[in-house]
Amino acid sequence: DTAVSQTPKYLVTQMGNDKSIKCEQNLGHDTMYWYKQDSKKFLKIMFSYNNKELIINETVPNRFSPKSPDKAHLNLHINSLELGDSAVYFCASSQGPGTGELFFGEGSRLTVL
Amino acid sequence: GQNIDQPTEMTATEGAIVQINCTYQTSGFNGLFWYQQHAGEAPTFLSYNVLDGLEEKGRFSSFLSRSKGYSYLLLKELQMKDSASYLCAVRGSGTYKYIFGTGTRLKVLA
Repeated sequence: DTAVSQTPKYLVTQMGNDKSIKCEQNLGHDTMYWYKQDSKKFLKIMFSYNNKELIINETVPNRFSPKSPDKAHLNLHINSLELGDSAVYFCASSQGPGTGELFFGEGSRLTVL
Repeated sequence: GQNIDQPTEMTATEGAIVQINCTYQTSGFNGLFWYQQHAGEAPTFLSYNVLDGLEEKGRFSSFLSRSKGYSYLLLKELQMKDSASYLCAVRGSGTYKYIFGTGTRLKVLA
């Protein structure tokens, strides 16, 4: 049983398209996160939700819209994709906001052509 | 501002000991984490320090000095499978954010 699972694992798409990445955790955690890892392997926080409520919203273009239908799910929708959006997107969860360690999903590698 | 620094790359020999340093300047501090990330995989949790001193977990130990804004991860009896990136992350106080350093890529040679 995968604790934090993301789909799809790979996405290849054209500039200007819209795409979504889904994340689910079965750890019973209250808090979920989206991180972006660029080509230099730097992990940067994008968003966090605690029990369906947005608690972190970093300086991210508003083409990125997270949605949390319940505390076990956090999705990321990206409109009008740009070349610079190419990266690996990691979903993570923690017991509570800033509580305990982060558990990461396997990542979704997005390539924008 | 927030700044977390680690060496970019290190190389060590199988069976040796290696120390990976991390220095941080963050607005508040509420814990420091080390993660291991193999190429193409997710980061996995290694250790956590919130008080000064050494935490030991098998072949891995992590040290923290809050007054110096400094931590290190010590890996003993290196194995080939330890070749990976090691990420230092700081959790700020009064914030839910875990801020990551740029990571150190460790190569273990036979």
